[in-house]
Amino acid sequence: QSALTQPPSASGSPGQSVTISCTGTSSDVGAYNYVSWYQQHPGKAPKVMIYEVSKRPSGVPDRFSGSKSGNTASLTVSGLQAEDEADYYCNSYAGSNSWVFGGGTKLTVL
Amino acid sequence: QVQLVQSGAEVKQPGASVKVSCKASGYTFSDHHMHWVRQAPGQRLEWMAWINIGSGNTKYSQKFLGRLTTTRDTSASTAYMELSSLRLEDTAVYYCARDSGYLRYYLDDWGQGTLVAVSS
Repeated sequence: QSALTQPPSASGSPGQSVTISCTGTSSDVGAYNYVSWYQQHPGKAPKVMIYEVSKRPSGVPDRFSGSKSGNTASLTVSGLQAEDEADYYCNSYAGSNSWVFGGGTKLTVL
Repeated sequence: QVQLVQSGAEVKQPGASVKVSCKASGYTFSDHHMHWVRQAPGQRLEWMAWINIGSGNTKYSQKFLGRLTTTRDTSASTAYMELSSLRLEDTAVYYCARDSGYLRYYLDDWGQGTLVAVSS
């Protein structure tokens, strides 16, 4: 199972919006509406920000949103804040109790 | 609240095995399956395995077939990950992560991570 493709980096100024893409195949992202996104600060465990493509767990700000079209999912962070600077990973269910992560995107708040 | 507490850091020689534990609390252990994920230094998250806590059934990433074993002890609310024939490139932080359940297919709570360093 190959990793999902994410851009290595993304950036934006405070208050701006940034979108991170995640491209898979018809066997994972394209096949299931089970894409999730994780935020990871340096030295910390990941934290889920989005699940089932566009749902937010309780406690996650509504500045975070997700979408999907075909084999590509996207995470949008609106109204960027300094604390949003982190690594972001997409993840997709790939069938038969297997999952796959993306390569990760380092989000910098300028 | 849900807590997943992992065992401490390990240093191993190439060819050895390592076993990492993950003790769960704050929920009914058998109600949620468990994943294992690793992250080499400066690298991406890598999904390794899933274990059905109730039945013990497992699914492993192709990359680790033959070297990886995940088990659980329901009486101790603890999941285990054992990786054998360790190589230098297995140096990583290993995480256990709880499956969300309810067929939502995401990882909703994570352990603090266990550093496994493989060095000669």
